[in-house]
Amino acid sequence: SQQGEEDPQALSIQEGENATMNCSYKTSINNLQWYRQNSGRGLVHLILIRSNEREKHSGRLRVTLDTSKKSSSLLITASRAADTASYFCATAGPSYGNNRLAFGKGNQVVVIP
Amino acid sequence: NAGVMQNPRHLVRRRGQEARLRCSPMKGHSHVYWYRQLPEEGLKFMVYLQKENIIDESGMPKERFSAEFPKEGPSILRIQQVVRGDSAAYFCASSPQGIGNEQFFGPGTRLTVL
Repeated sequence: SQQGEEDPQALSIQEGENATMNCSYKTSINNLQWYRQNSGRGLVHLILIRSNEREKHSGRLRVTLDTSKKSSSLLITASRAADTASYFCATAGPSYGNNRLAFGKGNQVVVIP
Repeated sequence: NAGVMQNPRHLVRRRGQEARLRCSPMKGHSHVYWYRQLPEEGLKFMVYLQKENIIDESGMPKERFSAEFPKEGPSILRIQQVVRGDSAAYFCASSPQGIGNEQFFGPGTRLTVL
């Protein structure tokens, strides 16, 4: 079954605005990771947050993790046109034998210049 | 330090032919993962390999698909007797340690079955 599910599925914002997307999962995890994928390209790792962490920052990115609600959010501040991409969350945990990442379907973000 | 390399980037096959996808992990990485992405979908895990060992192939279809990561050379994902439903983007990722750490992805191979 699909582990991560992002919400909303598509987001269109003006350059300079903040973009927030959420991800929910169903089983216990060791960590949750966010990836970006530009159209027709591979995935770029953005940030990893472990199950014992609640918040993490990296540049203009802020990730939160709420294990009680089994959810995570990714915030991109002061968005740029170059942030236009699909964003995926992926979880790693014992439910899948710790041997795989389970990906959500992705959020498509369009930043309008 | 070159990233994960995949080739070919695009592969066209007719139904019934074989497809061979290659992945060279990042230098120093001994863990390789293969994922498949259908249009408008997220990535689905296929197989996890270490050098000369298949650790987890629970995401691989039981028939026609196989993977290897030999002591020397790239990891190979092989699809025999391809069907139209095999058309997808196939991504390889590598990591220096096992799952639970960041995975570095290659650019993918886009397989089209005519």
